[in-house]
Amino acid sequence: SAVISQKPSRDICQRGTSLTIQCQVDSQVTMMFWYRQQPGQSLTLIATANQGSEATYESGFVIDKFPISRPNLTFSTLTVSNMSPEDSSIYLCSVTGQLNTEAFFGQGTRLTVV
Amino acid sequence: SQQGEEDPQALSIQEGENATMNCSYKTSINNLQWYRQNSGRGLVHLILIRSNEREKHSGRLRVTLDTSKKSSSLLITASRAADTASYFCATAPREGGGADGLTFGKGTHLIIQP
Repeated sequence: SAVISQKPSRDICQRGTSLTIQCQVDSQVTMMFWYRQQPGQSLTLIATANQGSEATYESGFVIDKFPISRPNLTFSTLTVSNMSPEDSSIYLCSVTGQLNTEAFFGQGTRLTVV
Repeated sequence: SQQGEEDPQALSIQEGENATMNCSYKTSINNLQWYRQNSGRGLVHLILIRSNEREKHSGRLRVTLDTSKKSSSLLITASRAADTASYFCATAPREGGGADGLTFGKGTHLIIQP
């Protein structure tokens, strides 16, 4: 299993600003994943972050809007840039212990943009 | 993008009754997983069923998988008030070797009436 600490747990931000979300895992993992959950909706994968390489973004998500860092095997950050109210969502990081096994999730960051 | 549909979108039953939720997906999968989410917090893994399995049990949970119909069901027996939550199915693609993120269904919001 893996324990994930995600910070901040929630924030209220002004439009036009940026927020960086941190994800710390208690063990080394190859893949880290970032998801967005819009209000009342399901989870949508934003990007996959490998250590030592550029993140891979899903359709509809771009690096300029959601830059990701992965400096080592236990840590990643997701930045939500130039925020608008449409970015109000829960953002979750996730890891898998081994390939094709269960995923573990952080508690999420509830972002409100005003 | 969303993999498929879950039904019902919302389900309200009496404590002690059984709850059944269904999930459909569109692409070939390596496995299908079910997760629970309480009040917009992080997701908790419930059970994983591989594409070559047809049924799996874990405590009060029973999951079936029909790959010919691209569908799965989650049965919670003898429901309790603490089972009130949102339930999501998620699929891991057959291709990618497990390095891809999960694709989530839309979810079922389950309410257990005491």
